[in-house]
Amino acid sequence: GAVVSQHPSRVICKSGTSVKIECRSLDFQATTMFWYRQFPKQSLMLMATSNEGSKATYEQGVEKDKFLINHASLTLSTLTVTSAHPEDSSFYICSANGGVYGYTFGSGTRLTVV
Amino acid sequence: AQSVTQLDSQVPVFEEAPVELRCNYSSSVSVYLFWYVQYPNQGLQLLLKYLSGSTLVKGINGFEAEFNKSQTSFHLRKPSVHISDTAEYFCAVSVKDSSYKLIFGSGTRLLVRP
Repeated sequence: GAVVSQHPSRVICKSGTSVKIECRSLDFQATTMFWYRQFPKQSLMLMATSNEGSKATYEQGVEKDKFLINHASLTLSTLTVTSAHPEDSSFYICSANGGVYGYTFGSGTRLTVV
Repeated sequence: AQSVTQLDSQVPVFEEAPVELRCNYSSSVSVYLFWYVQYPNQGLQLLLKYLSGSTLVKGINGFEAEFNKSQTSFHLRKPSVHISDTAEYFCAVSVKDSSYKLIFGSGTRLLVRP
């Protein structure tokens, strides 16, 4: 089946620094990946759609300059949280469309900004 | 715009009892429908999906769901639950457009008691 690997699973960073989260499709190519944010005990909120070789499409209210998305290859998309602040602390999850396998999700990244 | 409503934030049920988790959606165009399960601090696992064809969809772990177009519903059912079914369940829709992005409901916590 389709597998999506997300790294790191947990990260703690200082306020003002940047953090990069990677999302890799291991056994399939993904022209489109999705990035979600999940607050405790809440649903997944779509942040942006990552398109290989082109600019990401951000959902309304999501700061493009805060959450930088790069989809440089058919198997890798990265989300960089720039100048992180405590309010950016959250659970971030990526997803890719694995064709016949449907949408496959990474295991998530718990970001804590201190 | 599309939306998904899960009216029940939490559903407590005794072990071996049947359960139904409700999901209603709103969309002016055709959609695909999904149910996912999430265990603490993990990504999402697909339970089942409706793309087309038979309105009764069977998934993993004994779950099934029925697509009702007239009522715009996609309720999830299991005839006999186990303690291990305790988790968060999300209903999601995907619009048949170029992005196929997933929009999630607010989630229902299934709490199975012995």
